[in-house]
Parts: sequence; C-alpha cells; structure tokens
Amino acid sequence: GAVVSQHPSRVICKSGTSVKIECRSLDFQATTMFWYRQFPKKSLMLMATSNEGSKATYEQGVEKDKFLINHASLTLSTLTVTSAHPEDSSFYICSARDRAGGTNTGELFFGEGSRLTVL
Amino acid sequence: AQSVAQPEDQVNVAEGNPLTVKCTYSVSGNPYLFWYVQYPNRGLQFLLKYITGDNLVKGSYGFEAEFNKSQTSFHLKKPSALVSDSALYFCAVRDMGGGSYIPTFGRGTSLIVHP
Repeated sequence: GAVVSQHPSRVICKSGTSVKIECRSLDFQATTMFWYRQFPKKSLMLMATSNEGSKATYEQGVEKDKFLINHASLTLSTLTVTSAHPEDSSFYICSARDRAGGTNTGELFFGEGSRLTVL
Repeated sequence: AQSVAQPEDQVNVAEGNPLTVKCTYSVSGNPYLFWYVQYPNRGLQFLLKYITGDNLVKGSYGFEAEFNKSQTSFHLKKPSALVSDSALYFCAVRDMGGGSYIPTFGRGTSLIVHP
C-alpha cells in the first residue's frame, strides 16, 4: 500500500512556541491530505482537509489561526501549531488518499503520528 | 449523511479463540466500508475494505469482515486470535452516493487478547 511519512514522531516544546509537523506521501501524489487529532480516550477528530495549492478546509470548532496548514506540493503537507499551550498536547495524525489512475475508493493511508507535549 | 457505530468500547478474548469486533453503519446510498488497526503510539494501518462484490472480505493478518446489508453491519472477524492482535480497531464508512469523499470513523474498539 501507499506510504505516508510523518515527522517528527515526538516533540516537546515550551508553552508559547510554535511547532511544525510534516506529512509526506512517499510513493504517490496526494492532492488531498487530512489532519486528525486523537484524544486520550482514542477517538479521532478530523481537524482539517489540506488541498494542494489552495487553502485548507477546517472542521467546525478548529481554530485555523492556531493550526496552520500548508500543502505546497503534491507530496507534502505541514501542520504548524502556533503559540502552543499545554491543552494542545495530543497525538496528531495525518493521512492521504492515493488517487493513482483516477480511481479512488476512499481508503486512507496514515502517517505514524506525532506526539506533541507542550510544557 | 453517513455515520458508523462501534458499540463495544473493549473486547476481550482468549488467545486461540475466534474474535469479532462489531460495526454498524448508516448511509443514504451504498457504502464503502473499511477497517483500520492502530497499535500504541502509531498511526492507523489499513486492514481491509468492502466496495462491492462478495460480502466476505479478506484482509491483512488473517482478518476478514462480513458485509451484511440487511443488518447494516460490517463486523471484523478472525478465526483464531493472537496476543499480537491486541490493538485499537476502527471501522469507517463512506457513502458512495454522498457528496463527501471523507470517510467517517467509529470511536474505536480496544481488542485485548489474553494469553
């Protein structure tokens, strides 16, 4: 299956600083990537849909000025948590669809996740 | 609208016994259905999907799932559980007739296989 790489896997930062998380599709082009946040009780929350070359689409309740998403190429999307606070500590996961051949049945391929801890 | 329910927060099974993780869905059209597995501190891995055709779908690691249209279910099964199967399992659905191409995920079910 398609491979999605996410970096860093773990990051610890001080309150007030910004943190950037990268998501790369390694062997396919992803016009669309998705960013999820996973809470301690395991549920996945879709934060935003990242579209190559255009603005991201944020889900209701997600602060777009807080969670900056950039999708500058067909293989890279970045999530920047700006002015991080302890409540932003979480597990962030990106995913992408492989649209090879113009077909898409909807399965997503996920990165390994990034554990953010804000002190 | 599309939705999916995983009614069990946790499933416990002894190693060697068959396991079932339940999933029911709701869509306005026909469904695409998926199962993913997540190991601790890892991303989700795709296990299997149902698009069309045979109701019994076989996937990775010996898992299979049965699509039941009348019961709107897509339960994940394995004939003989392994301790290494212990993980978090997510069911997801996408409505083929809907406007969204983004699948909806269930809340996840923790599978614990006891030695």
